[in-house]
Amino acid sequence: GAGVSQSPSNKVTEKGKDVELRCDPISGHTALYWYRQSLGQGLEFLIYFQGNSAPDKSGLPSDRFSAERTGGSVSTLTIQRTQQEDSAVYLCASSLATGGWNQPQHFGDGTRLSIL
Amino acid sequence: GENVEQHPSTLSVQEGDSAVIKCTYSDSASNYFPWYKQELGKRPQLIIDIRSNVGEKKDQRIAVTLNKTAKHFSLHITETQPEDSAVYFCAAFNSGGYQKVTFGTGTKLQVIP
Repeated sequence: GAGVSQSPSNKVTEKGKDVELRCDPISGHTALYWYRQSLGQGLEFLIYFQGNSAPDKSGLPSDRFSAERTGGSVSTLTIQRTQQEDSAVYLCASSLATGGWNQPQHFGDGTRLSIL
Repeated sequence: GENVEQHPSTLSVQEGDSAVIKCTYSDSASNYFPWYKQELGKRPQLIIDIRSNVGEKKDQRIAVTLNKTAKHFSLHITETQPEDSAVYFCAAFNSGGYQKVTFGTGTKLQVIP
């Protein structure tokens, strides 16, 4: 009965390095979301997966950001050539997606990314 | 695209009083409206949600109302307690052909003992 699991919980890296963040959703959840939350701010939608496909990539801030999901389960968010403004908490959420109605999202604890 | 406005940004109430947080949305196709509570350093937790075919939903001290005509929905917390202190976020989902979601900017609620 595990919830949404994200790793690492914290990541500190130098500007210009690439980082990879991982999200393991709740088993059976076909919908998966990535969000970014800057300190004291709201949730910024990044990308949504339904199964392995990403019908909505409109929230990705730049072409340095990419995400993939294989096997309809684990997803990775990759940020290339990190910049200081990428520092934030990256949250993942998953939900069932049945019958055309939206289902409640369950969030992970997030990855706190700090770019030096 | 969807625009969700949330008010107020901060709210202080005395313990035992009620708190009301309001969100307005712009896309009439939005059809699912959850509310999340986020304590400092913790993950957002769903506290209540409402779908567009319902006008009101209640769960103990928490209720949500939806006015589709005016495109606004509100969170009502009665008999507030210090543990209700947190940041509350609203969101609007549009299932459409695929799920789009927009979050409000959050309300920091402080319940004063």
